[in-house]
Amino acid sequence: SYELTQPPSVSVSPGQTASITCSGDKLGDKYACWYQQKPGQSPVLVIYQDTKRPSGIPERFSGSNSGNTATLTISGTQAMDEADYYCQAWDSSAGYVFGTGTKVTVL
Amino acid sequence: QVQLVQSGAEVKKPGASVKVSCKASGYTFTSYDINWVRQATGQGLEWMGWMNPNSGNTGYAQKFHGRVTMTRNTSISTAYMELSSLRSEDTAVYYCARACSGGSCYYDYWGQGTLVTVSS
Repeated sequence: SYELTQPPSVSVSPGQTASITCSGDKLGDKYACWYQQKPGQSPVLVIYQDTKRPSGIPERFSGSNSGNTATLTISGTQAMDEADYYCQAWDSSAGYVFGTGTKVTVL
Repeated sequence: QVQLVQSGAEVKKPGASVKVSCKASGYTFTSYDINWVRQATGQGLEWMGWMNPNSGNTGYAQKFHGRVTMTRNTSISTAYMELSSLRSEDTAVYYCARACSGGSCYYDYWGQGTLVTVSS
């Protein structure tokens, strides 16, 4: 099976930069995307195809993917960005795989 | 605007089956796959499988093979996910989500979620 590993938690001060990693075997050879999920809500797509932002997602969200690691970066983090974040990729054997999830806390 | 509206909460006994619906609107239903994802309380997202509404073709996560069935009714733009032989570990919120066809896609729209509780 294919696995994607994320740090359980990331803490960031308001206005600073938060980086969330997602590690998987040869992940850079696949497309990665990222979802934000706030308590009691459905997930929201924030990054797709490694680096692209859907309409309506603030520019402070950016992504990269190379080697075995995809990264979601939140620049100028705001209190409203406090949420759980999940990476996702498609594996030809396992299907769609989600990362383990990262809770971002804005202190 | 694109919307995926799911059926309401369900309470089932162990061993029973549950069928959750997902009604699509605001786009051509047969042009995008519908995927199903679940989330137990306090846990992460878990992919269950995909269905192509145009062909009816499906692909299921190995974990759910033999217990899950994904179908659709194109005349009413509705997808269904049926899970059988329910056990307490199946208690979760179940989401439908829209994706392009063919893998390497992403979920641009999600349903509001359906809570399924399995309890004796």
